[in-house]
Amino acid sequence: ETGVTQTPRHLVMGMTNKKSLKCEQHLGHNAMYWYKQSAKKPLELMFVYNFKEQTENNSVPSRFSPECPNSSHLFLHLHTLQPEDSALYLCASSQAPYLGSSGNTIYFGEGSWLTVV
Amino acid sequence: AQSVAQPEDQVNVAEGNPLTVKCTYSVSGNPYLFWYVQYPNRGLQFLLKYITGDNLVKGSYGFEAEFNKSQTSFHLKKPSALVSDSALYFCAVRPGTGGFKTIFGAGTRLFVKA
Repeated sequence: ETGVTQTPRHLVMGMTNKKSLKCEQHLGHNAMYWYKQSAKKPLELMFVYNFKEQTENNSVPSRFSPECPNSSHLFLHLHTLQPEDSALYLCASSQAPYLGSSGNTIYFGEGSWLTVV
Repeated sequence: AQSVAQPEDQVNVAEGNPLTVKCTYSVSGNPYLFWYVQYPNRGLQFLLKYITGDNLVKGSYGFEAEFNKSQTSFHLKKPSALVSDSALYFCAVRPGTGGFKTIFGAGTRLFVKA
């Protein structure tokens, strides 16, 4: 139990479907993240939210749409994905790093395996 | 450019032998350094971190890591490997200038043979 819960753990969707990934953290953190993990590639930071406000969007295609209604919940809405979007999507949380305290550890969920067919 | 390098895709060790998983980095300012482990079909688990102070950091499951500023390295070590240590290990760095962007290495797969 990491304190960060992701659902569903596995998702298969067609290219025309709309689905969502959900993440909830029970650690009292105020920053939440979406990462993408593909085979043989480094972890890719997709989005960062700090106190519900988006602070990072690393040129992620618009077919991925994040939503952060509060500091404990984070969603990733998926629409018209491509087969190359198949990957493990990891949610994470941390205390908000600020200058002088950037050592705050990121804690990850178990991930959601996404397969686009 | 800021980066993290894990020069070995795979490390093989025999059970009971010491293990080292290498990591070097390039970031601005004083870095904050992390190691994570990922078991099959699981998320990343935090192992240890270096923020400041003692260059030798001890973490979970008997792992430790040594920060070497002159060599910009943060190698992960364990005196005696277990078969259960077999997993994927990620080094990560957050620039000391602040911000949310933690940079991860590509990962090193550790195989411990009985």
